[in-house]
Amino acid sequence: EDQVTQSPEALRLQEGESSSLNCSYTVSGLRGLFWYRQDPGKGPEFLFTLYSAGEEKEKERLKATLTKKESFLHITAPKPEDSATYLCASSYNTDKLIFGTGTRLQVFP
Amino acid sequence: KAGVTQTPRYLIKTRGQQVTLSCSPISGHRSVSWYQQTPGQGLQFLFEYFSETQRNKGNFPGRFSGRQFSNSRSEMNVSTLELGDSALYLCASSRGDRGRGEQYFGPGTRLTVT
Repeated sequence: EDQVTQSPEALRLQEGESSSLNCSYTVSGLRGLFWYRQDPGKGPEFLFTLYSAGEEKEKERLKATLTKKESFLHITAPKPEDSATYLCASSYNTDKLIFGTGTRLQVFP
Repeated sequence: KAGVTQTPRYLIKTRGQQVTLSCSPISGHRSVSWYQQTPGQGLQFLFEYFSETQRNKGNFPGRFSGRQFSNSRSEMNVSTLELGDSALYLCASSRGDRGRGEQYFGPGTRLTVT
């Protein structure tokens, strides 16, 4: 069964302290690797889609990368407003997304 | 460009009742997928509709059903509600490129079953 595993479950950072979130996925047949941000009580907000190993995408303080077996979401010099749950999801020849359980990020001033 | 909209935003129902939730996708998107989100199980795929046809289905009982209209708007129905159906129900829309391309989520419908 296709699976997505995220680590760590929770991460506390000081403002300005850079870090990375990890997402491991079932490799065979991957069509897309997605990153979302979700704030409490809201729907997931689309961040990035990655399609092939070696691909990188950036948006403000966030950078997503994809290797042959995992993806990373790098957060550079985070601010308190970056606090949220970050979700990773994969797709395999359908629009069904398989989600990980997320990393809950808290950034303190 | 308007985003994905869902109605109603909040709903309280009694066990045994049924409920219908609505989702309007982004203009031009032909695929609508539905997900259930709970603290214990995370985001679980319910089903996907593309051009009025169910294209994919998750592992939920037959009490959960859906449909899509010719304008791509979608509804999902849950019959004989159980306490465990309390959750945030999310829909996502996309162009429908079978796993490639962005999928955008709506704000969700918070269903509480008492």
